[in-house]
Amino acid sequence: GENVEQHPSTLSVQEGDSAVIKCTYSDSASNYFPWYKQELGKRPQLIIDIRSNVGEKKDQRIAVTLNKTAKHFSLHITETQPEDSAVYFCAAGLGSASKIIFGSGTRLSIRP
Amino acid sequence: DTGVSQDPRHKITKRGQNVTFRCDPISEHNRLYWYRQTLGQGPEFLTYFQNEAQLEKSRLLSDRFSAERPKGSFSTLEIQRTEQGDSAMYLCASSHGQGAGANVLTFGAGSRLTVL
Repeated sequence: GENVEQHPSTLSVQEGDSAVIKCTYSDSASNYFPWYKQELGKRPQLIIDIRSNVGEKKDQRIAVTLNKTAKHFSLHITETQPEDSAVYFCAAGLGSASKIIFGSGTRLSIRP
Repeated sequence: DTGVSQDPRHKITKRGQNVTFRCDPISEHNRLYWYRQTLGQGPEFLTYFQNEAQLEKSRLLSDRFSAERPKGSFSTLEIQRTEQGDSAMYLCASSHGQGAGANVLTFGAGSRLTVL
């Protein structure tokens, strides 16, 4: 079955700098890759997703890239702000009739 | 209908007791998922439904766990003979079954289980 590996497990960056979180997946048939943000004590919330027919997607300060050949995808956050501090989860799914498998998470801390 | 609702939010039980959690998804979503999350880990897939049909159940899930969605609306997750290792946050999520919203999960606030 699908397995999603995520790293680093913790990341600390200076406010205003960029943060990059990387994930790999095992099932080459996976074609949907969402990213969720979970603040302390709250539920995970979708921040961006990408489907396998595109290589990159941007939404303001957030971008996701996908390399299907290498089975890698990454989250890029630019101009980080204190409110970006949270745990971020990558995930992978297979089509519209599929479970979504999550990575183990990255705790991002933004230093003032 | 403002989102996915879960009940109860917190449950403390003694080892060996049975517990049941309820999830009410977003009304227009026909897909419903159950996940388990422990501290410092990502949500772990348990099972999911398309309408009333249970399409997949994790191999990691023991026979003590059972889920139902009898009318394709709300769902229940029952854990029988609870063990201390069952202590976790049980998250429910729902999504559309097709179209642009397929796979886009909206999570509930979760039901936190503590087994003493």
